[in-house]
Amino acid sequence: QKEVEQNSGPLSVPEGAIASLNCTYSDRGSQSFFWYRQYSGKSPELIMFIYSNGDKEDGRFTAQLNKASQYVSLLIRDSQPSDSATYLCAPTYAGNKLTFGGGTRVLVKP
Amino acid sequence: GAVVSQHPSWVICKSGTSVKIECRSLDFQATTMFWYRQFPKQSLMLMATSNEGSKATYEQGVEKDKFLINHASLTLSTLTVTSAHPEDSSFYICSAAGQGDEKLFFGSGTQLSVL
Repeated sequence: QKEVEQNSGPLSVPEGAIASLNCTYSDRGSQSFFWYRQYSGKSPELIMFIYSNGDKEDGRFTAQLNKASQYVSLLIRDSQPSDSATYLCAPTYAGNKLTFGGGTRVLVKP
Repeated sequence: GAVVSQHPSWVICKSGTSVKIECRSLDFQATTMFWYRQFPKQSLMLMATSNEGSKATYEQGVEKDKFLINHASLTLSTLTVTSAHPEDSSFYICSAAGQGDEKLFFGSGTQLSVL
């Protein structure tokens, strides 16, 4: 059973602050890791992916991966109200299948 | 990112009827498409993997005779919910990846309500 654990939240952050989201996964064979953003009633939108240990930055987003600890995180800098959504962590398994965590709901308050 | 089109966006049907959902990759050839289901306040659950020209692979617990998947071309996969019942009411989402690409792009989803 592939498991992906995320704190369900809500993670409440003031506008302009950093939101820090964590994710742990059980499958040591996972090679690629994706972060998706999902607004209520909408389908997921890819925002970041990371393959190697360390940090990867893309605009206001930074993904961090530690395969030894089976841990991946997402930082959102300068959080905006439009960042309020549920963020889904998704490691791959068996090729390009994704297992989704339950998601962390982020609420950015103006 | 790549564009995946999904239709219809929402459908209401009577119990016992069948519903077909289409998923198209608009600007790339999708050798593999995935079908997910999401219940309210829950995460996405993979239902099946659809490969062009071959039978779909279903995840454990998903009835293949109830959820018929056809991947007739490199740009089109369909999911048919046969003899739908109220418990099939859910948000169904397709996703697709290009050949050799691990990044999945999602369709806009279909909200199915079975009365």
